[in-house]
Amino acid sequence: QVQLVQSGAEVKKPGASVKVSCKASGYTFTSYIIHWVRQAPGQRLEWMGWINADNGNTKSSQKFQGGVTITRDTFASTAYMELSSLRSEDTAVYYCAREVGRAFDIWGQGTMVTVSS
Amino acid sequence: QSALTQPASVSGSPGQSITISCTGTSNDVGGYNYVSWYQQYPGKAPKLMIFDVTYRPSGVSDRFSGSKSGSTASLTISGLQAEDEADYYCSSYTSSNTRVFGGGTKLTVL
Repeated sequence: QVQLVQSGAEVKKPGASVKVSCKASGYTFTSYIIHWVRQAPGQRLEWMGWINADNGNTKSSQKFQGGVTITRDTFASTAYMELSSLRSEDTAVYYCAREVGRAFDIWGQGTMVTVSS
Repeated sequence: QSALTQPASVSGSPGQSITISCTGTSNDVGGYNYVSWYQQYPGKAPKLMIFDVTYRPSGVSDRFSGSKSGSTASLTISGLQAEDEADYYCSSYTSSNTRVFGGGTKLTVL
């Protein structure tokens, strides 16, 4: 079936970087855009950015520009989100989601990233 | 890009109808028919309930409906059921080809 499977939970120290993966299966990876969305504990969903899995074009929220890098590996049908210079405020569940039209129809299970000294 | 504005909470009794609003600007909700709604249970990933303002994905109950007027979109749930108790988020495409979410609304079924 169509699914996105994300990498496991991470614990990082402040100032470090984290890279979360999102492996697609059940559909043609390069036919869709993948988005990244995060949710801090008890907080709202926050859009981070997208990558066109076909041509690799990306766009990120102004809030994260310079701090987030979104890439993909078409051979592995996997998208990646790397967040650098981590702070405690980056503690959150990070989701990838497939876009159909302008909506997110398939979501990954989420990856908990904890930033703590 | 500021978050879209949603009420923090709404409540209703089983069988009743409730409406959740989502207010943006002409650069997002008001400018495009690309508003979507998501249902999220605690500890779970969001689930798409409405896309392109009014359309339901296959498998979503017809008790869920969407609409828009100007820069405010709305999600209506009719015939409330206990299983509808969850958080609901709206999202919109923006003029910058980014996306924006609402602040989220907690629905309580009394």
